[in-house]
Amino acid sequence: KQEVTQIPAALSVPEGENLVLNCSFTDSAIYNLQWFRQDPGKGLTSLLLIQSSQREQTSGRLNASLDKSSGRSTLYIAASQPGDSATYLCAVRRTGGGADGLTFGKGTHLIIQP
Amino acid sequence: DAGVIQSPRHEVTEMGQEVTLRCKPISGHNSLFWYRQTMMRGLELLIYFNNNVPIDDSGMPEDRFSAKMPNASFSTLKIQPSEPRDSAVYFCASSLEGNRGYTFGSGTRLTVV
Repeated sequence: KQEVTQIPAALSVPEGENLVLNCSFTDSAIYNLQWFRQDPGKGLTSLLLIQSSQREQTSGRLNASLDKSSGRSTLYIAASQPGDSATYLCAVRRTGGGADGLTFGKGTHLIIQP
Repeated sequence: DAGVIQSPRHEVTEMGQEVTLRCKPISGHNSLFWYRQTMMRGLELLIYFNNNVPIDDSGMPEDRFSAKMPNASFSTLKIQPSEPRDSAVYFCASSLEGNRGYTFGSGTRLTVV
């Protein structure tokens, strides 16, 4: 059974710092990996989607990398801002054909101090 | 595109009552998923549908939970009878087969008192 772990569980840093969030998964046979952001009391917003054949994806100040063989992904946030404060969730998808649910980590609760 | 639409946003009900949560997926998406989020367990997959057919309901906690998808644009998750431990945020998500990501609704916050 796939298990997804995110470290750290919580992180508080001053504004302007670059930071890295970590995600690991136990079964490397994944189809893709998706990073989400969740604001308090809100739904999930997709940030980046990395296919299993890709090494990384970038969107603005965000960069996500994937090392499938070692079962790891990182989310890099450059020049952090208070508006980046949220919970960041990593999720893996097992297959691409048909329907298949995502397996989520518990998330990293990020606070950017002004 | 209005995204995945869930209703109601909040639901407070008394123990023993029936609760029905609703979801409208993104038009054209052929897969629909119901998740439950709690502080203790995080996000858990309850059930998913492909082309309106339930594929895997192994995540449904008990027989009190049931889900239907009568057509491609509507799904319901029903809890009967509800219990306080069912209190959680319930999310619906939809996706298209292949290299696509998942789009989540805003969720329904259920409180059973």
